[in-house]
Amino acid sequence: DAKTTQPNSMESNEEEPVHLPCNHSTISGTDYIHWYRQLPSQGPEYVIHGLTSNVNNRMASLAIAEDRKSSTLILHRATLRDAAVYYCIRGSYIPTFGRGTSLIVHP
Amino acid sequence: DTAVSQTPKYLVTQMGNDKSIKCEQNLGHDTMYWYKQDSKKFLKIMFSYNNKELIINETVPNRFSPKSPDKAHLNLHINSLELGDSAVYFCASSQPGQGEARSPLHFGNGTRLTVT
Repeated sequence: DAKTTQPNSMESNEEEPVHLPCNHSTISGTDYIHWYRQLPSQGPEYVIHGLTSNVNNRMASLAIAEDRKSSTLILHRATLRDAAVYYCIRGSYIPTFGRGTSLIVHP
Repeated sequence: DTAVSQTPKYLVTQMGNDKSIKCEQNLGHDTMYWYKQDSKKFLKIMFSYNNKELIINETVPNRFSPKSPDKAHLNLHINSLELGDSAVYFCASSQPGQGEARSPLHFGNGTRLTVT
């Protein structure tokens, strides 16, 4: 049980921003929210994580709702190489992946 | 310099055989994991070892036996392979933090096992 809910797929055009949502309504106060992505034929790679505040790094931004029941991964300018499955995970003793969101990027 | 490396990358074998997959990490992490990704792309945790000791075993058949000779290595041995074992197996490592934070997982590129 991944305890997170994400849309199965989303589409975007190249160079447009992408907002990938995740619901984690049963998150505890100390659980971090982690995002990973899996490119075709590769292992998942870490994207970003946060607890309460919004976070930015070179790959993406993470916006966390004030009640922490949802979060949004933001890719500011999608590229074709961003086409991947994106996983949102609640930090816990057992890192559990759901089915993720398959992001399709159109040229 | 690969952080988490798995061998072999591809493994094709027949039902009933015994095979092993090796994993090594050079990140100095204390915790290592095995995940299985089936044909539907669902990524499921199998085992976790912390400093050579088993801490998670997610109802995996006894035919699967992980072995950790040291904290940098976590190998997976599979006995009496079955068709349903066909999947991509990913090794990962992390450094659990004190308190709230858990360090990110670092994954290998997977071993595609095909059982015929």
